Amino acid sequence: AQSVTQLGSHVSVSEGALVLLRCNYSSSVPPYLFWYVQYPNQGLQLLLKYTSAATLVKGINGFEAEFKKSETSFHLTKPSAHMSDAAEYFCAVNSGGYQKVTFGTGTKLQVIP
Amino acid sequence: DADVTQTPRNRITKTGKRIMLECSQTKGHDRMYWYRQDPGLGLRLIYYSFDVKDINKGEISDGYSVSRQAQAKFSLSLESAIPNQTALYFCATSDLTSGGVETQYFGPGTRLLVL
Repeated sequence: AQSVTQLGSHVSVSEGALVLLRCNYSSSVPPYLFWYVQYPNQGLQLLLKYTSAATLVKGINGFEAEFKKSETSFHLTKPSAHMSDAAEYFCAVNSGGYQKVTFGTGTKLQVIP
Repeated sequence: DADVTQTPRNRITKTGKRIMLECSQTKGHDRMYWYRQDPGLGLRLIYYSFDVKDINKGEISDGYSVSRQAQAKFSLSLESAIPNQTALYFCATSDLTSGGVETQYFGPGTRLLVL
């Protein structure tokens, strides 16, 4: 069985401040982990993915995430928030093979000018 | 042109009506999915298909049916729409790399309102 938990359905940060979106996973095997972003009125697009090659994963738009097995976490960070980062972010897990991807419930990021 | 397209983008229908949402992809992927998105619930899987001859129920398939007409086309039907099927519906495709990593690619969504 696999699952992800996103802590905080809404997060607000000031423009220029650190962005931290939390994701914890559960998987019976080493997982593949993803962050997707959904801008208003659009579909989801891949931000970054962890495939066991490196624990620190860099994605698009300056985002990165670190896989921490001991904490079963895959938190998303960005050093300095930009107004254009306002969106909903989804963490997802896949245990590989014929397992389906399981999505978290999403975190809406608000960036305050 | 978009790799994954959905039609219609918006639809208003009445309770009891049958409607079909269509999805087409030009990515050449075998795997296709239908999700619905509701506020606070994230994405929930309705149906998925790993190839043209393989169709499987997801976690919330009741009240829905699908048809995989070709590798590139996957349609979702609501046989008799009800108000709690009001949601944002997404189609997605995926590839499975040789390393076993599956990345999903999403369409723009169909916003459905059932009155």
